[in-house]
Amino acid sequence: TQLLEQSPQFLSIQEGENLTVYCNSSSVFSSLQWYRQEPGEGPVLLVTVVTGGEVKKLKRLTFQFGDARKDSSLHITAAQPGDTGLYLCAGSGSGTSYGKLTFGQGTILTVHP
Amino acid sequence: EAGVAQSPRYKIIEKRQSVAFWCNPISGHATLYWYQQILGQGPKLLIQFQNNGVVDDSQLPKDRFSAERLKGVDSTLKIQPAKLEDSAVYLCASSFTSGVTYEQYFGPGTRLTVT
Repeated sequence: TQLLEQSPQFLSIQEGENLTVYCNSSSVFSSLQWYRQEPGEGPVLLVTVVTGGEVKKLKRLTFQFGDARKDSSLHITAAQPGDTGLYLCAGSGSGTSYGKLTFGQGTILTVHP
Repeated sequence: EAGVAQSPRYKIIEKRQSVAFWCNPISGHATLYWYQQILGQGPKLLIQFQNNGVVDDSQLPKDRFSAERLKGVDSTLKIQPAKLEDSAVYLCASSFTSGVTYEQYFGPGTRLTVT
């Protein structure tokens, strides 16, 4: 069974601060995705990383996939209240679990104005 | 492009009653997923369809949950009888099967409250 652990579980910061969310596993994933979910809505895909060591930037968000494809991080620069939400990492397996996503438990981010 | 549609958005039932949720995926997406999301947690996969066939239902409580995707398009998830611990958001997602990423697109979910 592939498991993903996210940390921290809760994050409360002031507008303008930087933050990093971590997603770790003992399993190798063929790809890893980050989602953001707002209350009352389904998760929305932010990015997919596929190659070990890959770094992707989306405006103030920087996503990194570990060299061994077992871990990932999400860094937000100069957080804004609009960044508030639940951030989820999800790994896609290989072989018989291909296409199946394993989700972390999520990080609830609150950015105060 | 229209997103994943789900209905109803909210449902309140008493324990031991039955309930059904409907999902219409993005056009052309062969793979459809049903997830259960307990408040404050990540989604847990209940069942995965490829066209109208079941790929994975290992975490579906089959004594009370059932799902079907008869024509390989829309899908229905049913709970009968419901228990208090079934209170959760039920998410439907779909993906276009290609490459290695299997990016999933989610509907808004149905919030179920069992009293």
